[in-house]
Amino acid sequence: RKEVEQDPGPFNVPEGATVAFNCTYSNSASQSFFWYRQDCRKEPKLLMSVYSSGNEDGRFTAQLNRASQYISLLIRDSKLSDSATYLCVVTGGGSQGNLIFGKGTKLSVKP
Amino acid sequence: EAGVAQSPRYKIIEKRQSVAFWCNPISGHATLYWYQQILGQGPKLLIQFQNNGVVDDSQLPKDRFSAERLKGVDSTLKIQPAKLEDSAVYLCASSRRGLPSLNTEAFFGQGTRLTVV
Repeated sequence: RKEVEQDPGPFNVPEGATVAFNCTYSNSASQSFFWYRQDCRKEPKLLMSVYSSGNEDGRFTAQLNRASQYISLLIRDSKLSDSATYLCVVTGGGSQGNLIFGKGTKLSVKP
Repeated sequence: EAGVAQSPRYKIIEKRQSVAFWCNPISGHATLYWYQQILGQGPKLLIQFQNNGVVDDSQLPKDRFSAERLKGVDSTLKIQPAKLEDSAVYLCASSRRGLPSLNTEAFFGQGTRLTVV
């Protein structure tokens, strides 16, 4: 089982749609969780951290289920500018936890 | 605040040649990472430094890859000799302290795009 698994997509959605991405991780010792966004031929940038109680930032909502080792990202009212690859990231669980990336889910928002 | 600086941006070499990449992290960031990102995949950690010490190099192909961060600031990653499968983007990232926490963001440089022919 891969350490971090995501549906690669692509997800092709119209503007205004709601879209959800899922991610599972294998290391139960992982302590921190993130969603990064990567635009085509650019570097990854932090979109949001994922808190145990779930958290929201504008149109973006992240959820964590530690028992199922599952993370989700919900995007409401999709904009053309949301088109990108969304990377699920977890820490390795060691004392100096590194960042382990999923392969990413590609989102394309169409007019 | 200046970002993570990497050079060169692009490099094309023939297989069996050597290549080196340079990274200057954000000032004051103790942790430095080198990632390899092959087209269509997520970044894969090659090596993590905490100041000038190696924290994790378990996925670094040590027969051909080496990295150093001698003074705990900038870092170089070297490949010698390169193989075709080394074609990828090499990303450097830094964060303020060792253990990524919910409040410690990792910042990435723009990467070096390596093509081995």
